[in-house]
Amino acid sequence: EPEVTQTPSHQVTQMGQEVILRCVPISNHLYFYWYRQILGQKVEFLVSFYNNEISEKSEIFDDQFSVERPDGSNFTLKIRSTKLEDSAMYFCASRRAGSYNEQFFGPGTRLTVL
Amino acid sequence: EDKVVQSPLSLVVHEGDTVTLNCSYEVTNFRSLLWYKQEKKAPTFLFMLTSSGIEKKSGRLSSILDKKELFSILNITATQTGDSAIYLCAVLNTGNQFYFGTGTSLTVIP
Repeated sequence: EPEVTQTPSHQVTQMGQEVILRCVPISNHLYFYWYRQILGQKVEFLVSFYNNEISEKSEIFDDQFSVERPDGSNFTLKIRSTKLEDSAMYFCASRRAGSYNEQFFGPGTRLTVL
Repeated sequence: EDKVVQSPLSLVVHEGDTVTLNCSYEVTNFRSLLWYKQEKKAPTFLFMLTSSGIEKKSGRLSSILDKKELFSILNITATQTGDSAIYLCAVLNTGNQFYFGTGTSLTVIP
């Protein structure tokens, strides 16, 4: 069964450093999402991406964040200058076009900012 | 402000019990409501509800939506220890944005 994959599973970085979190969505999916979940808190929407551009973003997704689809398979989230409060689990998700019933979530990347 | 509220925040039951989890929402331009089960890591999809009053069922799980009162319930009958998880409710709006609730943590003890 196809699945969304994410790398790395755990990333540790120093405050102020840039990180890139990588996702490979399911191949025939056209909508892509990033979410974060701070430990013990709710899943928060960051951004949705379609047709090579951002379609929606939340107030969390400020100028330090960016997303890219550098090739036909990867979908990346870049955090330019990490802060302690960026420590969280970051989930990527994707879904088919025309179907609003199911997002497939990746296993997540745990980001720890020291 | 758009929001999704789940209750209770946590629940401990014995195997065999029936539980009802609640989700209320205030989201403009509502499209659908979804339930997810989150165990160790990523949420896994359970149900999507778009229309009021139509029960969705999968094994021991069922769910229904009331768009007039702006809530949904998720029922689990004959609970098993494998049902222990966080159950997330999310609302999708017509702008392709998802709003998640804080989740209900369910613990089923043998």
